[in-house]
Parts: sequence; C-alpha cells; structure tokens
Amino acid sequence: AQSVTQLGSHVSVSEGALVLLRCNYSSSVPPYLFWYVQYPNQGLQLLLKYTSAATLVKGINGFEAEFKKSETSFHLTKPSAHMRDAAEYFCAVSGAAGNKLTFGGGTRVLVKP
Amino acid sequence: DGGITQSPKYLFRKEGQNVTLSCEQNLNHDAMYWYRQDPGQGLRLIYYSQIVNDFQKGDIAEGYSVSREKKESFPLTVTSAQKNPTAFYLCASSRVTGTGAYEQYFGPGTRLTVT
Repeated sequence: AQSVTQLGSHVSVSEGALVLLRCNYSSSVPPYLFWYVQYPNQGLQLLLKYTSAATLVKGINGFEAEFKKSETSFHLTKPSAHMRDAAEYFCAVSGAAGNKLTFGGGTRVLVKP
Repeated sequence: DGGITQSPKYLFRKEGQNVTLSCEQNLNHDAMYWYRQDPGQGLRLIYYSQIVNDFQKGDIAEGYSVSREKKESFPLTVTSAQKNPTAFYLCASSRVTGTGAYEQYFGPGTRLTVT
C-alpha cells in the first residue's frame, strides 16, 4: 500500500521568499515520486519527477525537490516565489503495476506582493 | 499538438440523469485514468484502463461506469446511483511499465454540477 501526506493545506509566502512544500510518503516498493501543479479550473501539470537517477531533481519554473529515503520525504522548494506560483501543488507516489498514482491532499500556495 | 481533451468544460444535469464525460488522447498512451477532485480531498481514482477492452475499479468506482473500445478514448458515465456526483473530473493517460515510472498527463477537466 502507498500513501502520501502533504503537511499544510495552505501556505502563504511573500514574493521573493523561499517556497517550501512538504511531502512524506510510504511505499512497500521503491517509489517513483511526482510533483504536479494545478492552476484554478485546470488540469494538473507535471513539475518534476524522481525515478531513482538522482536524489536532487530539478523541474520546470525554477522548482526542485530532494528525495530523502531515510526521511521518506520528497519536499518541493523554490528559492524565490513569484506571483505566478500561486496555485495548488500535489505530491504523488507510484510504484505499483499499472502506473497508479496515489496523491496527497494538496497544498494551496498564496503569494503576497 | 499531442494531448488530452475533455469535453465539455462545464456540464449541468438534473438529479436522476446519467451523464457521460468524454476523454480523448492522441499521445498513443496505453493507460488511461479517471479521477474525481473535491475541495480539500486531493484526487481520487475512479477507474483506470491499461489496455483496450479492459479496465479496473479504482478507489471510488461505485456509481460510475467506463468503457475502453478504442485506445484513444475512455468515456466515463456518472450514473444516477452516484450519491454525490457534483465534482471536478480529471482524465489522464500514461505509458505503462511494471514499475510505475511514467508520469501521467492530465486533461483540462470537466466540472459537473448536478441539481
């Protein structure tokens, strides 16, 4: 069984400040981990993914995430928030046959000017 | 441009009516998925299909039905048996491995309102 926990359903950051979104997972098999972003009334867009090649993964829009097996974490960061980063972010884990994803509950990011 | 299309964007139905949501992809992906999204609950898997003419129930399949007659298409029917059908529905597709390494690509979603 797999599960994902995202700490904090809402995060507020100032423009230019660090964005840190937390994700912890559990998986009975070596996990593949994903971060997606969703803008209002739209589908999800892939930000980045971890597939065991490197523990620090760089994605689009300046985001990156670090896989830490010992902490079962895959936190998402961006050094400097921009107004366009205001969206909802989802962490997901896969590893089962069939490419089924298990999603966290999401974290909504508000960026203050 | 390759991608996933869902239609319509907004759908309104009266309680007791079945309604079918369309999902088409031209990415040549074998696997397709339907999710339901409610505020504060993330995405929950309704049904998925890894190959034509085969599909499996997800976590919340009750009150829903699907078909997969063509690789490109995976329509979802919300039946009158679904107790709370008002939600945002997302379709996705992916390549398939035995390890789950491939990401899913999502359509723009259909917002269904049942009154």
